[in-house]
Amino acid sequence: QSALTQPASVSGSPRQSITISCTGTSSDIGGYNYVSWYQQHPGKAPKLMIYDVSNRPSGVSNRFSGSKSGNTASLTISGLQAEDEADYYCISYTSRSTLEGVFGTGTKVTVL
Amino acid sequence: EMQLVESGGGLVQPGGSLRLSCAASGFTFSSYWMSWVRQAPGKGLEWVANIKQYGSEKYYVDSVRGRFTISRDDAKNSLYLQMNSLRAEDTAVYYCASRRPTYYFDYWGQGTLVTVSS
Repeated sequence: QSALTQPASVSGSPRQSITISCTGTSSDIGGYNYVSWYQQHPGKAPKLMIYDVSNRPSGVSNRFSGSKSGNTASLTISGLQAEDEADYYCISYTSRSTLEGVFGTGTKVTVL
Repeated sequence: EMQLVESGGGLVQPGGSLRLSCAASGFTFSSYWMSWVRQAPGKGLEWVANIKQYGSEKYYVDSVRGRFTISRDDAKNSLYLQMNSLRAEDTAVYYCASRRPTYYFDYWGQGTLVTVSS
């Protein structure tokens, strides 16, 4: 089962902005506004950061924002901070027959 | 506060079985879709199985279909994953998570490690 494509790594300096891309197909990202993003620190469970493409759960910093264009979704982190260093995953609903959801390959964010 | 706590992981030989449990608290468990998601050592996340409210629908990733069974006991606020015919490639941390209708996972347990090895 094909995963959503994310860059393996993205880095930035403190206070900079970075964007992580998540590329799928018209059967997933392109066809539905059901993209979510998760932050995972080493040894910890994933944490929901964005849902339904661009919505932020209560308690998540407004430095995190999401968007979508065609078959590609994006997560932008503004004002990068040291605690943002983590792995980030995207997830999308998919209409492919035997799947319910398709996960991204993951991106390691490094704060320089 | 919404909380999910997994248990039941451990070391098992190839071909063996294991039953994972997930105890839920702080929310109306019976109203939620629930899921199992796993993460092999050093790898990314992989969805394993979903179960609808009342267990009326169940979905599995191809690699576990026929070997794993997801179930729930709403009276006990608990989610389960029965894993049979385990393989080395099933080695992973298994997380239970609550799944929303628009396919996002809003709460996650801390995970339980399953190691399949002789």
